[in-house]
Amino acid sequence: GAVVSQHPSWVICKSGTSVKIECRSLDFQATTMFWYRQFPKQSLMLMATSNEGSKATYEQGVEKDKFLINHASLTLSTLTVTSAHPEDSSFYICSATHYNEQFFGPGTRLTVL
Amino acid sequence: SQQGEEDPQALSIQEGENATMNCSYKTSINNLQWYRQNSGRGLVHLILIRSNEREKHSGRLRVTLDTSKKSSSLLITASRAADTASYFCATDDPGGTSYGKLTFGQGTILTVHP
Repeated sequence: GAVVSQHPSWVICKSGTSVKIECRSLDFQATTMFWYRQFPKQSLMLMATSNEGSKATYEQGVEKDKFLINHASLTLSTLTVTSAHPEDSSFYICSATHYNEQFFGPGTRLTVL
Repeated sequence: SQQGEEDPQALSIQEGENATMNCSYKTSINNLQWYRQNSGRGLVHLILIRSNEREKHSGRLRVTLDTSKKSSSLLITASRAADTASYFCATDDPGGTSYGKLTFGQGTILTVHP
């Protein structure tokens, strides 16, 4: 089956720094990937749609200047959390579409001190 | 508005019992999916049911869909301790421009005691 990886699996950073999270489709090409955020004991909330070769589409309430998304190739999308603060601490999960099915990455746990 | 609300929020049962989780949604859909998430981990896709289907089975899983009531249920029969996880329903966005965009329910935390 199709596999999506994320790197890193967890990261701890200081407040004010930027963190980049990678989402890769390992054995298929994905023109569209999605980024979700999940706070503890809550559901997944869609942050943005990442489109290869074009600008990402952000959901209402998500700051595009804070959560920078780059989808430079058909197998890689990156999410950069800029000037991270403790309230950005969360579980970030990406997904990619393959033959009309969504495949999710294992998630990245971000902790901002 | 939040699509995909689930109940119960938490369910605690003994091994061997059946577990039923419900999901309601607000807008029209093409399909509804159920996922499982073990604590702190990624999502595992369980089953997809299309809007023109009423019931679907996969192993110990049975999913029903009632589009007139905009609701779905997930039944896990003969539960095992390994079924302990959070379960989410997710609906697609047929009116949207991005295929694959999902809206998740709040989830049900299932605990199966050995």
